[in-house]
Amino acid sequence: GAVVSQHPSRVICKSGTSVKIECRSLDFQATTMFWYRQFPKQSLMLMATSNEGSKATYEQGVEKDKFLINHASLTLSTLTVTSAHPEDSSFYICSAREASGVTDTQYFGPGTRLTVL
Amino acid sequence: QKEVEQNSGPLSVPEGAIASLNCTYSDRGSQSFFWYRQYSGKSPELIMSIYSNGDKEDGRFTAQLNKASQYVSLLIRDSQPSDSATYLCAANFGNEKLTFGTGTRLTIIP
Repeated sequence: GAVVSQHPSRVICKSGTSVKIECRSLDFQATTMFWYRQFPKQSLMLMATSNEGSKATYEQGVEKDKFLINHASLTLSTLTVTSAHPEDSSFYICSAREASGVTDTQYFGPGTRLTVL
Repeated sequence: QKEVEQNSGPLSVPEGAIASLNCTYSDRGSQSFFWYRQYSGKSPELIMSIYSNGDKEDGRFTAQLNKASQYVSLLIRDSQPSDSATYLCAANFGNEKLTFGTGTRLTIIP
């Protein structure tokens, strides 16, 4: 199956700093990638849809100036959490969409666990 | 509001038995459906996708789709302790995003 990687897998940072998370589709091109956040024992929450070459579309309630998304190529999307605070500590997961006419499937990366001190 | 509903469980099944996970969705026009498995602390992993009415089998897993009843299920045969996880049902309502159910927590009892 299709492989999606994320880097870093875990990051600890001080309050007020920015953190960049990379999401790569390794064996397919993804015009669309998605960023999710998941708090402990809660459901996945879609944050934004990232489209190659255009601005990301953010879900209601997600601050676009705080969560900067760049989808510069067909295999890479980045999420930057700016001025992180302890309440931003969460599990951030990306997915990449593989659409081939008949099928249209999302594959998830392994996730990045962010802890803000 | 387009929704996907699952019983949150927990569902406990003896090892070797069949685990049956169920999901309903609100939009009759939905075309594609997915089952993901998520272990605690890990990201979701695609188990099955299904696009047509009927059954689709892959190893010990069978997905069943009934569009008339707006119902999709996942059967796991010969359940193993390693199948213990949360199973997420998801539907594509035609706007490229997936809508997820809240997940069913499955525990296989040795």
